[in-house]
Amino acid sequence: DGGITQSPKYLFRKEGQNVTLSCEQNLNHDAMYWYRQDPGQGLRLIYYSQIVNDFQKGDIAEGYSVSREKKESFPLTVTSAQKNPTAFYLCASKRVQGPTDTQYFGPGTRLTVL
Amino acid sequence: GEDVEQSLFLSVREGDSSVINCTYTDSSSTYLYWYKQEPGAGLQLLTYIFSNMDMKQDQRLTVLLNKKDKHLSLRIADTQTGDSAIYFCAEDNNAGNMLTFGGGTRLMVKP
Repeated sequence: DGGITQSPKYLFRKEGQNVTLSCEQNLNHDAMYWYRQDPGQGLRLIYYSQIVNDFQKGDIAEGYSVSREKKESFPLTVTSAQKNPTAFYLCASKRVQGPTDTQYFGPGTRLTVL
Repeated sequence: GEDVEQSLFLSVREGDSSVINCTYTDSSSTYLYWYKQEPGAGLQLLTYIFSNMDMKQDQRLTVLLNKKDKHLSLRIADTQTGDSAIYFCAEDNNAGNMLTFGGGTRLMVKP
């Protein structure tokens, strides 16, 4: 059963701690994306990667870091430098080649900073 | 730059039609998309339309595209309570690998 998984579904963090959100896909997609969603708002792009070992900053990359060591995995670290990290985080992936392909989303991780 | 705008909220009665509107600014978009987000979940692709099409119908969903006015709409016929969700429109960039999302329209369906 192919898809995108994100874990954990809910995550709590104390201020000053780094935390890593997991995103895995078995769709053989080339590109992967991380978005942040705040209540009542749309999605804002944090980072994206179109190929293994390469990634680019999105619109709101400050305070976040990523890695892309494997095609299937694109973990996001929320660092203590991120001033307002409480949000819903969505991971997506996309097959680059197809003209009609679009981004498919995971179920999301809700991060709360205590 | 790219900008996609939607109204925040729409309320309809069960059985009525819903029309969710979206305006965009990037005339070079190849595809435009509609996604649905249920509470606490990720986004689910509903449908998409190629930029040289005016209309696309898929069961209860009808997408209309007015490229001259850069206006996209999603019509849901016979709206059901299960259609209550947030609906996002999105446009791709010229390369097709990036999406710009609208802020989402929350659809509430009253029984």
